[in-house]
Amino acid sequence: SQQGEEDPQALSIQEGENATMNCSYKTSINNLQWYRQNSGRGLVHLILIRSNEREKHSGRLRVTLDTSKKSSSLLITASRAADTASYFCATDPFSNTPLVFGKGTRLSVIA
Amino acid sequence: DTEVTQTPKHLVMGMTNKKSLKCEQHMGHRAMYWYKQKAKKPPELMFVYSYEKLSINESVPSRFSPECPNSSLLNLHLHALQPEDSALYLCASSQVPHSGYEQYFGPGTRLTVT
Repeated sequence: SQQGEEDPQALSIQEGENATMNCSYKTSINNLQWYRQNSGRGLVHLILIRSNEREKHSGRLRVTLDTSKKSSSLLITASRAADTASYFCATDPFSNTPLVFGKGTRLSVIA
Repeated sequence: DTEVTQTPKHLVMGMTNKKSLKCEQHMGHRAMYWYKQKAKKPPELMFVYSYEKLSINESVPSRFSPECPNSSLLNLHLHALQPEDSALYLCASSQVPHSGYEQYFGPGTRLTVT
């Protein structure tokens, strides 16, 4: 069953611009994770934010979490063509079921 | 070594064939996962192995049979598959079977059933 829902489904930007992706979820969570997947490859973990954290940074990535709105956002600053990929949020419901992945946002960064 | 390896990279099989997918990790992780992913869709969990025991089977048809011979290896045995089983099959591992830990994914096996 789907827990996370990313928005937008697809995003196309110019190199150097910022990209923002949003994830909404339905139930309470312990943590939320973001993953990147280059076309036809495995997923790569980007960042994990716990339910008691509001913001986290990693390099050009900034993730926010608003548990009252059950939403998270991933901001990629100064995007590069190599950032072209699908981005998935994955949530960890309190019931300790396995990670559930959202539908993903397909990001295209045009050089 | 933070790598999960999967073999083969590509596999084409007929509906009467029997084949196996293999996954290996040497990070000492005690949880391993099989996912199925269709084009432009998120990964769908199939099985979870926790400390070498099958802990979750997400109602996967019996034509998919997982096996965990030891803590580093995970196999997925395939038999009498259907064309709709064509997909990218991803293996992943995590330190322990708790979703508070990041999962490390292999590159996947692209399976085509003819």
